[in-house]
Amino acid sequence: GAGVSQSPSNKVTEKGKDVELRCDPISGHTALYWYRQSLGQGLEFLIYFQGNSAPDKSGLPSDRFSAERTGGSVSTLTIQRTQQEDSAVYLCASSLGSRGSTYEQYFGPGTRLTVT
Amino acid sequence: TQLLEQSPQFLSIQEGENLTVYCNSSSVFSSLQWYRQEPGEGPVLLVTVVTGGEVKKLKRLTFQFGDARKDSSLHITAAQPGDTGLYLCYGSGNTGKLIFGQGTTLQVKP
Repeated sequence: GAGVSQSPSNKVTEKGKDVELRCDPISGHTALYWYRQSLGQGLEFLIYFQGNSAPDKSGLPSDRFSAERTGGSVSTLTIQRTQQEDSAVYLCASSLGSRGSTYEQYFGPGTRLTVT
Repeated sequence: TQLLEQSPQFLSIQEGENLTVYCNSSSVFSSLQWYRQEPGEGPVLLVTVVTGGEVKKLKRLTFQFGDARKDSSLHITAAQPGDTGLYLCYGSGNTGKLIFGQGTTLQVKP
């Protein structure tokens, strides 16, 4: 079956512009996660969606970052007024189970964002 | 704040050597997972450990969860170039926070 897909795979934008990153999770997965990864580093948690519950936004680094998940499926991560420090790979993952469970997270290939 | 500290951060070895990667915390985790990530791809789950003292084997990989559920280790026997990648430990803290370690980059030279 289809895995988690993300688009675009690469995005180059100018400082100050807004960007939208898209994630299509595996069908039927109730949990969706966004992470940020700098080159060769671990993953930084950004936001977590679980079903119809209010999302956990505690990892968003500033109010320039926001995300939504429509219809419990597709999610969009928006970064407004991008800064050079926003340059990173943004990874999306989905899971059958809720946070804190032992369910496997299935990751997309990521979107590499470069802010010039 | 719950943290997962991995060591070493970088490891370069020759094919056939053994190695151990550590994931440590001062806090208790209900479960720990190990993921492996190759360049340009997302992480892929290797194993989940949930019971203190648990040992799981996956071919040449041996995973252990500490008795107190605060640490874990990954041991690779007779490493191969295909083992090259970024190894990440991940835990769910007692507050529900999702925490990844900073990763261990493993390079296995033929």
